[in-house]
Amino acid sequence: DAKTTQPTSMDCAEGRAANLPCNHSTISGNEYVYWYRQIHSQGPQYIIHGLKNNETNEMASLIITEDRKSSTLILPHATLRDTAVYYCIVRGPYAGGTSYGKLTFGQGTILTVHP
Amino acid sequence: SAVISQKPSRDICQRGTSLTIQCQVDSQVTMMFWYRQQPGQSLTLIATANQGSEATYESGFVIDKFPISRPNLTFSTLTVSNMSPEDSSIYLCSVQQGMNTEAFFGQGTRLTVV
Repeated sequence: DAKTTQPTSMDCAEGRAANLPCNHSTISGNEYVYWYRQIHSQGPQYIIHGLKNNETNEMASLIITEDRKSSTLILPHATLRDTAVYYCIVRGPYAGGTSYGKLTFGQGTILTVHP
Repeated sequence: SAVISQKPSRDICQRGTSLTIQCQVDSQVTMMFWYRQQPGQSLTLIATANQGSEATYESGFVIDKFPISRPNLTFSTLTVSNMSPEDSSIYLCSVQQGMNTEAFFGQGTRLTVV
């Protein structure tokens, strides 16, 4: 699976949009971009994923560039509860045997939402 | 999404002993995984728990140290054997309902070895 690069940390004011970037320049055509977050002392929480089209759900929006080499996770109205580590993960499809599309976590981006 | 229950939520253990962590899911799932998160670090995949057969371990993890069972589609255990302080970590269970679907995580077991 392709490697991702994220900023170590970001700040955001409460009520404003949080835009978290991720670079994945070596992504392959069949690899998805997944986003998870981990709030302190909890298990990771699934946020959203996409292949090449922009995606939106009740939590966030995912914008993937046309060349698929980077993406941005958007939290439209950040709250204090959104303070967490955000992980961008590129994941390929299950291919049988041990070559499944496992989730490989990097160091992520520490997002701090302040009042 | 599946509801995942991990037990115990935390424990303090003596070095040289073993601890078995349980992961129970409220619905049948295709895939179950075990991760480790060392203090201040990201998550590392230990192994895939395979139903009815031996687990598939990632590089650096061995069955003697981390035996895993998965007797059915809703339950798995991870044992941390012959523990040392270096095994102090959060251990997390993760499940997927399909091969290429999103994974969901339990709340983890916080293990401290003294």
